[in-house]
Amino acid sequence: AQTVTQSQPEMSVQEAETVTLSCTYDTSESNYYLFWYKQPPSRQMILVIRQEAYKQQNATENRFSVNFQKAAKSFSLKISDSQLGDTAMYFCAFIDTTSGTYKYIFGTGTRLKVLA
Amino acid sequence: AAGVIQSPRHLIKEKRETATLKCYPIPRHDTVYWYQQGPGQDPQFLISFYEKMQSDKGSIPDRFSAQQFSDYHSELNMSSLELGDSALYFCASRRGNNEQFFGPGTRLTVL
Repeated sequence: AQTVTQSQPEMSVQEAETVTLSCTYDTSESNYYLFWYKQPPSRQMILVIRQEAYKQQNATENRFSVNFQKAAKSFSLKISDSQLGDTAMYFCAFIDTTSGTYKYIFGTGTRLKVLA
Repeated sequence: AAGVIQSPRHLIKEKRETATLKCYPIPRHDTVYWYQQGPGQDPQFLISFYEKMQSDKGSIPDRFSAQQFSDYHSELNMSSLELGDSALYFCASRRGNNEQFFGPGTRLTVL
């Protein structure tokens, strides 16, 4: 069974600094997609960044970037120049593209607090 | 751009009552997913539909049922509600690529 593990329940970072959130996953498949979602206090699920497993290049979206290590099954999220608005719950999610239904499997989340 | 619409946004029910949650996917999206997020937990997959047919089923209680209609909207029906059913219920839709677009969720409180 596919699993997603986020080992950091809570983290904090000073405003303008950099923080890295960890995510590992387990799958026997070679073709899959990984995502980071942000869930602020409003509870809306907001896509932060996505990574296709067949791409070796790490995805980047403005201040957000990932370190994708396929062999190690690791997918960490780096937030640069942290802002107060980055305070939220962050979920790592995995899609097994061979399942046919593309449902998400989420990690347990990391609660990030950006300090002024 | 149009987003996923969920109604109602908040719902309060008594134990043993019935609730119906509605989801209107993004136009031309043919796949709908339902997730349940309990307090302090990650979203858990309940059920999905593709072209109005059930495509996958997760940890959905037998007391729950769902369907997708001809206009692609979906409804999640929950009967004999229990205190443990109190949660945020997300609907998400997808078409073509692999990203799901989430609605704002329906917060269900069972008293």
